[in-house]
Amino acid sequence: SQTIHQWPATLVQPVGSPLSLECTVEGTSNPNLYWYRQAAGRGLQLLFYSVGIGQISSEVPQNLSASRPQDRQFILSSKKLLLSDSGFYLCAWSPQGRGYTFGSGTRLTVV
Amino acid sequence: KQEVTQIPAALSVPEGENLVLNCSFTDSAIYNLQWFRQDPGKGLTSLLLIQSSQREQTSGRLNASLDKSSGRSTLYIAASQPGDSATYLCAVGMNRDDKIIFGKGTRLHILP
Repeated sequence: SQTIHQWPATLVQPVGSPLSLECTVEGTSNPNLYWYRQAAGRGLQLLFYSVGIGQISSEVPQNLSASRPQDRQFILSSKKLLLSDSGFYLCAWSPQGRGYTFGSGTRLTVV
Repeated sequence: KQEVTQIPAALSVPEGENLVLNCSFTDSAIYNLQWFRQDPGKGLTSLLLIQSSQREQTSGRLNASLDKSSGRSTLYIAASQPGDSATYLCAVGMNRDDKIIFGKGTRLHILP
């Protein structure tokens, strides 16, 4: 069966520090992968999605970047965090049109 | 541009009641529609996925319907329980390889 792993679960980082969040999927190949952010009291905002290794589409200009170094690995990064980067970050995968499965999320607090 | 709306934003009902959550979308040319549940501070759990060729899907006490022509989907919850309290999100997929568009959710509270 397919599973999605996302870590860490919580993270407190100072302003200006770097960020790396990792997401991996098991039990499937060539999934579509997604990073979403959910700010307090707001809806889900799509940040990046990828349909293959090295293929990244960005939805909103921002302080973050994404990479897909392996087929089932998706990484969200920042060189210097801002206070506005705080939020709940969710990774998701989709087997091309057959619905989304989400990870358990990372609660990021930038202080 | 596709827009997904969920009304009401919040709902409180006594335990045991049947209830309906609504989702509407502006562009009827969808590929699929998915209902999720989110507990506070947690990730999203998929409840039901309806492909564009389907009219409804059922899982236990949950039934989701889809009317593409009118741009609507409903999630029916039978015999509600306090454990059903959560935020319910509707999301629309426009094609096989593209992103999905979320509504803002309905926050449901079942009163014991």
